[in-house]
Amino acid sequence: NAGVTQTPKFQVLKTGQSMTLQCAQDMNHNSMYWYRQDPGMGLRLIYYSASEGTTDKGEVPNGYNVSRLNKREFSLRLESAAPSQTSVYFCASSEAVRGYHEQYFGPGTRLTVT
Amino acid sequence: GQSLEQPSEVTAVEGAIVQINCTYQTSGFYGLSWYQQHDGGAPTFLSYNGLDGLEETGRFSSFLSRSDSYGYLLLQELQMKDSASYFCAVKGGTYKYIFGTGTRLKVLA
Repeated sequence: NAGVTQTPKFQVLKTGQSMTLQCAQDMNHNSMYWYRQDPGMGLRLIYYSASEGTTDKGEVPNGYNVSRLNKREFSLRLESAAPSQTSVYFCASSEAVRGYHEQYFGPGTRLTVT
Repeated sequence: GQSLEQPSEVTAVEGAIVQINCTYQTSGFYGLSWYQQHDGGAPTFLSYNGLDGLEETGRFSSFLSRSDSYGYLLLQELQMKDSASYFCAVKGGTYKYIFGTGTRLKVLA
């Protein structure tokens, strides 16, 4: 049982390049999330998927797109990377327990855009 | 706007008790949760308060007062391994969570 996995762990991009961050979970959770974490700013929600086939914007969606490929996988795409997107990206999944979604986080992808 | 405020850093000695406060101002509120994150690691869930009062899980307890828009995480019998960052997070909608900027806890021997 691997929990939430993310690939790649590290990535360096040049401004304008594109890439897709991959996330998969094996806990049969319905909901999945993408966050970014910048120094001193905590975690900010980029997009989430309440269930397979649905996606919604979070707090900071500009410059990103997502795909909920199936129940297990939720990818995040940067179409034209900018230095402001340098951050650590975390994927998470959850299932409602007593009305609350305890979120399980992946190990993160450390992205640098030069 | 929406904001969560936590102290940026707290220091305590091994075996002591420490309290990390969180005050929030959000447009929606369904509950307050706490996460722990070690340097270079992923956040891990500690506790959730959907109703006013105290929730206890081993050495950790969490408290919520919705009327005061305030909560805290209490860590007892501190151990060196508790040195980490602690984040409060408001459940602002069914799937929307707003995280604070985190409190860095240093435990001294």
